[in-house]
Amino acid sequence: NAGVTQTPKFRILKIGQSMTLQCTQDMNHNYMYWYRQDPGMGLKLIYYSVGAGITDKGEVPNGYNVSRSTTEDFPLRLELAAPSQTSVYFCASSYGTSGNTIYFGEGSWLTVV
Amino acid sequence: QKEVEQNSGPLSVPEGAIASLNCTYSDRGSQSFFWYRQYSGKSPELIMSIYSNGDKEDGRFTAQLNKASQYVSLLIRDSQPSDSATYLCAVGGGINSGGGADGLTFGKGTHLIIQP
Repeated sequence: NAGVTQTPKFRILKIGQSMTLQCTQDMNHNYMYWYRQDPGMGLKLIYYSVGAGITDKGEVPNGYNVSRSTTEDFPLRLELAAPSQTSVYFCASSYGTSGNTIYFGEGSWLTVV
Repeated sequence: QKEVEQNSGPLSVPEGAIASLNCTYSDRGSQSFFWYRQYSGKSPELIMSIYSNGDKEDGRFTAQLNKASQYVSLLIRDSQPSDSATYLCAVGGGINSGGGADGLTFGKGTHLIIQP
């Protein structure tokens, strides 16, 4: 029962490097989300998608890009990594709109040095 | 901008006592309310959802909602050391609202410590 799977779990990046956080879900959920969580802070929405081919910005999208070519996959790309992007990233999915339960992946710990 | 407010704590409760966690929200149109538990270094996991005014009980957990006061709470009875975690309040639109597709708005969480 995989649910939402994220890779990698840990990564250290140098300033200016780029990388992609992978996310896949096997629950046939239409809605997928990327959140970041800084220490002592709540979850901030980066990008979300309501279905394949459709993405939209959340609260903190700057420095990130996403794509949704299939229902299952929702990768998050960091371009020109900056220390401010050091955070824990959670991918999540839900069956419907925000009235439905959101299920989270295990998180990806990213450090930019 | 939607806001969800929680006391960050830490809230320290003796083992066996009732832990009371509170949350207020700014968007009067909110219709769905969730409590997530997050252990240190782990992802949030859903423990309760509530959509109507009043109380909803599930085992040792009771969620309480008052839409007029824009207030939602979580009571944990017979608190156990394993309940020590950060509790996130999350607020969203209606199940079939067709809007609010940008997910839930989360509070910063309350850090709960159950003292043995």
